[in-house]
Amino acid sequence: AQSVTQLDSHVSVSEGTPVLLRCNYSSSYSPSLFWYVQHPNKGLQLLLKYTSAATLVKGINGFEAEFKKSETSFHLTKPSAHMSDAAEYFCVVSDRNSGTYKYIFGTGTRLKVLA
Amino acid sequence: GAVVSQHPSRVICKSGTSVKIECRSLDFQATTMFWYRQFPKQSLMLMATSNEGSKATYEQGVEKDKFLINHASLTLSTLTVTSAHPEDSSFYICSAPRDGQGTDTQYFGPGTRLTVL
Repeated sequence: AQSVTQLDSHVSVSEGTPVLLRCNYSSSYSPSLFWYVQHPNKGLQLLLKYTSAATLVKGINGFEAEFKKSETSFHLTKPSAHMSDAAEYFCVVSDRNSGTYKYIFGTGTRLKVLA
Repeated sequence: GAVVSQHPSRVICKSGTSVKIECRSLDFQATTMFWYRQFPKQSLMLMATSNEGSKATYEQGVEKDKFLINHASLTLSTLTVTSAHPEDSSFYICSAPRDGQGTDTQYFGPGTRLTVL
């Protein structure tokens, strides 16, 4: 079975400092991995995805993530946080084995950006 | 492209009534759609997979008679919460992968907040 663990439920950073949101996955197959962001009262927006191509994935708004198979990790980073980055972030693994590409969500990390 | 809408965005109903939520893919076809629920400050939990032209597949623990799903066309799936009770109050979100895109990326609707009094 596939699973995703987001190690931090809350992360606080100062504006202009780096962001690191951690995600570890468990999968018997080559996974597809995603990071989504959810702003208050808004729908989920795809930040980036890994689907077995380049291990360093660049996404929108300056975010990127690196797929590390040896560490079973897919951490999300951004060099410099902006106030507008404050939101809930979800790491997701896609269950390809099911044939229906069901998503399995992590528990989420709430990012707070301090002025 | 790849926009998914939901209607209504917010609904308040009395206990015992039924509520229908629509999920539409506006600019692409979606043979499969997914329904999730999200409790406050929690993650999304998959409720069911909606399949156009066939019965929905429900996740373990989700009552299919309680949460009726109909995938009427390649762009529309509906979730009906029957005989709603306060414990059904939640944020319901749908998503859909685009047919023929060849990837497993899902596009999410903005969600429907259901409050049962």
